[in-house]
Amino acid sequence: GENVEQHPSTLSVQEGDSAVIKCTYSDSASNYFPWYKQELGKGPQLIIDIRSNVGEKKDQRIAVTLNKTAKHFSLHITETQPEDSAVYFCAARATGGGNKLTFGTGTQLKVEL
Amino acid sequence: NAGVTQTPKFRILKIGQSMTLQCTQDMNHNYMYWYRQDPGMGLKLIYYSVGAGITDKGEVPNGYNVSRSTTEDFPLRLELAAPSQTSVYFCASSYSGGLTGTGIQAQHFGDGTRLSIL
Repeated sequence: GENVEQHPSTLSVQEGDSAVIKCTYSDSASNYFPWYKQELGKGPQLIIDIRSNVGEKKDQRIAVTLNKTAKHFSLHITETQPEDSAVYFCAARATGGGNKLTFGTGTQLKVEL
Repeated sequence: NAGVTQTPKFRILKIGQSMTLQCTQDMNHNYMYWYRQDPGMGLKLIYYSVGAGITDKGEVPNGYNVSRSTTEDFPLRLELAAPSQTSVYFCASSYSGGLTGTGIQAQHFGDGTRLSIL
């Protein structure tokens, strides 16, 4: 089955700096890669996603890049703000039924003033 | 729309007790999922359903049961609670169209049930 590895597990940046979180996946047939943000006591919330036929996608301060050859994808957050502090999860969806996702183990992002 | 609603938010059980975690969604999604989240381990899929009357096992189904009698509801049942089932449980839903359900749609999550078994 699919295996997703996520790094780093914790990341601390100064407000205004950029943050990058990286994930690798094992199944070359995976075709959908969402990123979720989870705040304390809440469920994961989708912040951006990318499909396998696209190399990059951007939404304001957030961007995701995908390298299918290397089987890795990354989340980029620019001009970080204190409200960006949360746990971020990457995930990968393999082909087949069920729309099932395999999640990475999460990155605790802390934006310091 | 309320989205995905989970009840209860917190629960403490004794070993061997049983309980049902409730999940309901009002987005008319056909796919629903149950995950558990343990510290540092990400989310693991327990069971999922692609429509009313259809359920299937995920990665960690042992000790759990599900049913899907309606589109809206997808309860998760613990029959004999064990300490290893102490976790945060999340329900999610998504819409997938087409004959084979291969359309890619985002999963939407509830806010979880925090379960402790002592």
